[in-house]
Amino acid sequence: DTEVTQTPKHLVMGMTNKKSLKCEQHMGHRAMYWYKQKAKKPPELMFVYSYEKLSINESVPSRFSPECPNSSLLNLHLHALQPEDSALYLCASSQTRRGSNQPQHFGDGTRLSIL
Amino acid sequence: ELKVEQNPLFLSMQEGKNYTIYCNYSTTSDRLYWYRQDPGKSLESLFVLLSNGAVKQEGRLMASLDTKARLSTLHITAAVHDLSATYFCAVVIANAGGTSYGKLTFGQGTILTVHP
Repeated sequence: DTEVTQTPKHLVMGMTNKKSLKCEQHMGHRAMYWYKQKAKKPPELMFVYSYEKLSINESVPSRFSPECPNSSLLNLHLHALQPEDSALYLCASSQTRRGSNQPQHFGDGTRLSIL
Repeated sequence: ELKVEQNPLFLSMQEGKNYTIYCNYSTTSDRLYWYRQDPGKSLESLFVLLSNGAVKQEGRLMASLDTKARLSTLHITAAVHDLSATYFCAVVIANAGGTSYGKLTFGQGTILTVHP
C-alpha cells in the first residue's frame, strides 16, 4: 500500500464531462505534484504545489485545473478533455525542508480514458 | 534544459545473469533517484543517491553515482523473474534546499524482462 492515496483508480469520461481526480497524503509533506504518464513512457510533470500554492505549471492546457485546498489534499479538475488526454495520472508528494533525503512518493494513479 | 538518458531501453535477461543499466544526465545535480514500476502500478522508490561516489545495495540491485561523469548505474546481480519491471532513473536540478522538491526529470525507462 502506498502512502499517497488517489481516487478514483479508473475513470472513463466523455469529452463534454467535468470530473475531478483526488489525491491525499498524511506524511506531512508540503509539496504535492501531478504527473501524466502515457503508456511505455516516463511520467511528465504537470503541476507542483508548495505550501498550498502553485509553484510550477508546465504549460498545461487550461482544461486541467489543479487545486490544493489544504496541505494534505490535491485535486485535479478536468473539463472538455481530448482523447489524447487518456493516460495514467500520478500524484506525488515530498518534503521541502533543507537536507531531506527522501524521494518523491507516488500514489497508485488514476487511469483516465476519454471517449 | 535537463536531459536524462537511459540505456538500454529494453533488456531481456536470463535468470542468474548479471547486467547494468546506465543513466546519463546533462546538468549538474546533487541527487539521483531510481524507481521501479510494475505494469499498471505506481512508482516504487528504490534508491536515493546523494553524493559523488555513492553506492547503495538492496538485494540483487546495486546503484552508484558519479556526479563528475553525470552517470549513474543500476547493476543487477543473478537476475530472478521477480525483477521484471520498468526501471526509471530521475534527476532533480540542484537546488539550495537539497531536497527532492522540484521538477523531477525522468529517463525514458528500461523495460527489464527476466526469462527462466
